[in-house]
Amino acid sequence: QSVLTQPPSASGTPGQRVTISCSGSSSNIGTNYVSWYQQVPGTAPKVLIYKNNQRPSGVLDRFSGSKSGTSASLAISGLRSEDEADYYCAAWDDSLNGRVFGGGTKLTVL
Amino acid sequence: EVQLVESGGGLVQPGGSLKLSCVASGFTFSASSIHWVRQASGKGLEWVGRIRTEPNSYATTYGVSVKGRFTISRDDSKNTAYLHMTTLKVEDTAVYYCRAGSPNPFVDHWGQGTLVTVSS
Repeated sequence: QSVLTQPPSASGTPGQRVTISCSGSSSNIGTNYVSWYQQVPGTAPKVLIYKNNQRPSGVLDRFSGSKSGTSASLAISGLRSEDEADYYCAAWDDSLNGRVFGGGTKLTVL
Repeated sequence: EVQLVESGGGLVQPGGSLKLSCVASGFTFSASSIHWVRQASGKGLEWVGRIRTEPNSYATTYGVSVKGRFTISRDDSKNTAYLHMTTLKVEDTAVYYCRAGSPNPFVDHWGQGTLVTVSS
């Protein structure tokens, strides 16, 4: 089991808005920043969101992040077929003194 | 162009050792912490460990599943980080990624990964 909890799957149709949740605890999300990654199978993860809600240059504003208490979420608006991928949340965990990941959410664009 | 290139993966028997390398270019390597992250086939991402920068005494920390068996080091003069793996187990089989991270300025770069297979 992963320290951060994500739904294993999510889906939406083109143009829709989809939200992926990430639940943690006071030692990780409750205290530290959350990052979100997109991984197309067979390739390396790519950062979409850092410091809870910041987008690196080059990441489209269709991707947004938020955090409240010990939970975080990633929202993808204007869903496109190329958004079909696995999405992971991550945060530092002060109790484990290490970085922890969510189990990943497979997004399907119907 | 930012690049992180891992190498050194391959087939090793259980109980054996292997040393992975991660060569960086296109950014200030010495200012970034270096993490190793692995992914077993069809599974999620698992954090392996991290080495910090010189101002932070090159401090290392490891995940529970590899602590005592894996060692991370770096040579800033060569823009290279290493993951030395010993007493390898079948469950260590995975693609191993190196990641460079820094909060300010923000850095989050990943290599393409190298496959380690532990099997007899």
